[in-house]
Amino acid sequence: DADVTQTPRNRITKTGKRIMLECSQTKGHDRMYWYRQDPGLGLRLIYYSFDVKDINKGEISDGYSVSRQAQAKFSLSLESAIPNQTALYFCATSDMGQVNTGELFFGEGSRLTVL
Amino acid sequence: RKEVEQDPGPFNVPEGATVAFNCTYSNSASQSFFWYRQDCRKEPKLLMSVYSSGNEDGRFTAQLNRASQYISLLIRDSKLSDSATYLCVVNVIGGSQGNLIFGKGTKLSVKP
Repeated sequence: DADVTQTPRNRITKTGKRIMLECSQTKGHDRMYWYRQDPGLGLRLIYYSFDVKDINKGEISDGYSVSRQAQAKFSLSLESAIPNQTALYFCATSDMGQVNTGELFFGEGSRLTVL
Repeated sequence: RKEVEQDPGPFNVPEGATVAFNCTYSNSASQSFFWYRQDCRKEPKLLMSVYSSGNEDGRFTAQLNRASQYISLLIRDSKLSDSATYLCVVNVIGGSQGNLIFGKGTKLSVKP
């Protein structure tokens, strides 16, 4: 089983719908992240959380919200999806103690299409 | 200026070739540096860290020039399986981007 699991893996939805992407990890890491990836734009950070009570906006948080339900779970919500939120979304984790190793562990990604 | 810049490529090379990727970063407070690899439609994975003295892992060599704020990755004897996108990543402690800042990646295609 994957250490970082994202659900759903693929989703097609319509403009205006509420969407939640879920992420769970079995690595015991404190830090969790949500990124989106678009062709030509690379990985962009949406939100990150360094522990359960800590939530921080990233580069492109507008239109998104997150919830850190537990150390192992970090969900991303689109309250009212719009077509330019069509992208590949990645959840990632890292260990605070490994901050200088630069190693993020990514989930397999959730491909979201908003029509 | 973007915080981490890479030539997007694509680099199309024959098997056995040597290929080098470059990356520049703008924040002089950057503390650590990495190369990630991302296969098509897959998640990024750490390839190697980049140390000030330069480091090698098999056919892969990474180098850092702090004065020029420049990082490189050299791949020798390219294999078909090296085809992927290579992401330059910079760690800025206390930065606003959750510490790790990703370049947009350089695409490598190794042909038979």
